[in-house]
Amino acid sequence: NAGVTQTPKFQVLKTGQSMTLQCAQDMNHEYMSWYRQDPGMGLRLIHYSVGAGITDQGEVPNGYNVSRSTTEDFPLRLLSAAPSQTSVYFCASSSDLQETQYFGPGTRLLVL
Amino acid sequence: GQNIDQPTEMTATEGAIVQINCTYQTSGFNGLFWYQQHAGEAPTFLSYNVLDGLEEKGRFSSFLSRSKGYSYLLLKELQMKDSASYLCAGQISGGSYIPTFGRGTSLIVHP
Repeated sequence: NAGVTQTPKFQVLKTGQSMTLQCAQDMNHEYMSWYRQDPGMGLRLIHYSVGAGITDQGEVPNGYNVSRSTTEDFPLRLLSAAPSQTSVYFCASSSDLQETQYFGPGTRLLVL
Repeated sequence: GQNIDQPTEMTATEGAIVQINCTYQTSGFNGLFWYQQHAGEAPTFLSYNVLDGLEEKGRFSSFLSRSKGYSYLLLKELQMKDSASYLCAGQISGGSYIPTFGRGTSLIVHP
């Protein structure tokens, strides 16, 4: 049982490049979320999903796309990277919204 | 957002007790989480309060007052390893229920 896994751990991009941050969980959780964490800003919700095939926008969705084709996977796509997207990205999952979210180890992204 | 407010930084002495406060807007409020996050690591769950009152888990306790829009995390017998950021996160009913996080309180425990 690996919990929530994220790849890559670190990534450097040039402005305008696109990439996908991977997130997978093996706990059969319905709820999955993507957050970004910047110094002094706390965790801000980008997108979330309440089940396979269902996604919705969070607080800061611009510049990001998501899809949820399976229960296990919830990739986050950066369409055209910008320096403002330099951040640490966390994926989280939970079995129920009144249960704890389990967080992945994070992806540290630097956009030059 | 839910306007989750908590102090930016606190310091305390090893062995002491510290209380970290969190306030939030009460409209549509459902429940409140506390997470601990060590530098460079992912947040880990500490507590979840839905009902008013104090819940104790070993050295850590969490309190909630729904009518006042107020919560606190109480850490007793502080240890050096408790130096971390403590995140308060509130849920809104009628929406996604996905928690909204405050900016976190950085706790520094010194000898």
